[in-house]
Amino acid sequence: NAGVMQNPRHLVRRRGQEARLRCSPMKGHSHVYWYRQLPEEGLKFMVYLQKENIIDESGMPKERFSAEFPKEGPSILRIQQVVRGDSAAYFCASSPQTGKEGYTFGSGTRLTVV
Amino acid sequence: GENVEQHPSTLSVQEGDSAVIKCTYSDSASNYFPWYKQELGKGPQLIIDIRSNVGEKKDQRIAVTLNKTAKHFSLHITETQPEDSAVYFCAARYGNQFYFGTGTSLTVIP
Repeated sequence: NAGVMQNPRHLVRRRGQEARLRCSPMKGHSHVYWYRQLPEEGLKFMVYLQKENIIDESGMPKERFSAEFPKEGPSILRIQQVVRGDSAAYFCASSPQTGKEGYTFGSGTRLTVV
Repeated sequence: GENVEQHPSTLSVQEGDSAVIKCTYSDSASNYFPWYKQELGKGPQLIIDIRSNVGEKKDQRIAVTLNKTAKHFSLHITETQPEDSAVYFCAARYGNQFYFGTGTSLTVIP
């Protein structure tokens, strides 16, 4: 029973490149959440998705960031034209039913922008 | 508005002693409050949770208490061991998402 799978674990991008982070939720989970964690800081909500729907993107920066959760395949967090300030750990979490219990988190993708 | 405050930010205890971490939440939080443990280089892991219809919940050496009147909840770890060293986050649900405290870095000194 695999947990939440994120890849890659580590991603290095040069300024101006695109970063694509992937997340496969736990089996049976249909809700996906993305969080960002800056060094020495807590987890900041970015976006909440269900299959083919963005439910809440109130934590997403208005520019350069986008997320999707297609009918088939993993959820993707895309960051275009990365800048040094995007360097952080990005965590994906999933749940079977929103509001009923805590999330299961993946191991994260650590993005470094050089 | 949504707000979760967590204290202390760092905590060092001797092995075998107890550790207590406290969080406060605002009025609009939901009735569900989980605690997560994050080890270095890993994702947060749910370790215990509590719903507002109970005041305390225990699971072996860890327990969580909830004071609805004062709007705070606490994590208690007894008989601490070196493997308890990690960053601990509290969370409260607001609408579609959880808001997390800023974390407590716990160090258990052997």
